[in-house]
Amino acid sequence: GAVVSQHPSWVICKSGTSVKIECRSLDFQATTMFWYRQFPKQSLMLMATSNEGSKATYEQGVEKDKFLINHASLTLSTLTVTSAHPEDSSFYICSARDPKQETQYFGPGTRLLVL
Amino acid sequence: GDSVTQMEGPVTLSEEAFLTINCTYTATGYPSLFWYVQYPGEGLQLLLKATKADDKGSNKGFEATYRKETTSFHLEKGSVQVSDSAVYFCALDDYKLSFGAGTTVTVRA
Repeated sequence: GAVVSQHPSWVICKSGTSVKIECRSLDFQATTMFWYRQFPKQSLMLMATSNEGSKATYEQGVEKDKFLINHASLTLSTLTVTSAHPEDSSFYICSARDPKQETQYFGPGTRLLVL
Repeated sequence: GDSVTQMEGPVTLSEEAFLTINCTYTATGYPSLFWYVQYPGEGLQLLLKATKADDKGSNKGFEATYRKETTSFHLEKGSVQVSDSAVYFCALDDYKLSFGAGTTVTVRA
């Protein structure tokens, strides 16, 4: 199946710093990537939809200035958590849509801990 | 809007038992349906999918049939293993995915 990578898998940072998470589709070109947040023992919460070469579309209640998304190429999207605070600690998962398969494939996730 | 209702867990089974996880959906069109599996500390892996009514998706001994008349996509496996312990998500694809709440399955040896 299609492979999506995410980096880093783990990050610990101090409050007030910014953290960048990368999401790459390794063997297909993804015109659309998605960013999710998952709280313990819960389902995934869609944060934003990222289309290559255009601005991301954020879900209601997600601060776009807090969570900056860039989709500069057909295989790479980045999520930057700006001025992170402890309440931003979470598991962040990206997915990439394979247009030929019409299927979303998920990355392994990034666990963020803000101290 | 589109939505997915999934059987609540947790589900605990013995090895070689039969597993069923119920999933029903509400949609205005004819979306593709998916089952994803999440192992502890990992992202989601595609387990199987079906793109139209009466399609059966299957993988690793798991099966699910897209039933338009009952708006259902129940997941089944005839004989589970300890390695099947995970969280299972039913999802509906209308370009964005709508997920069920997830069902935690624990298989005991």
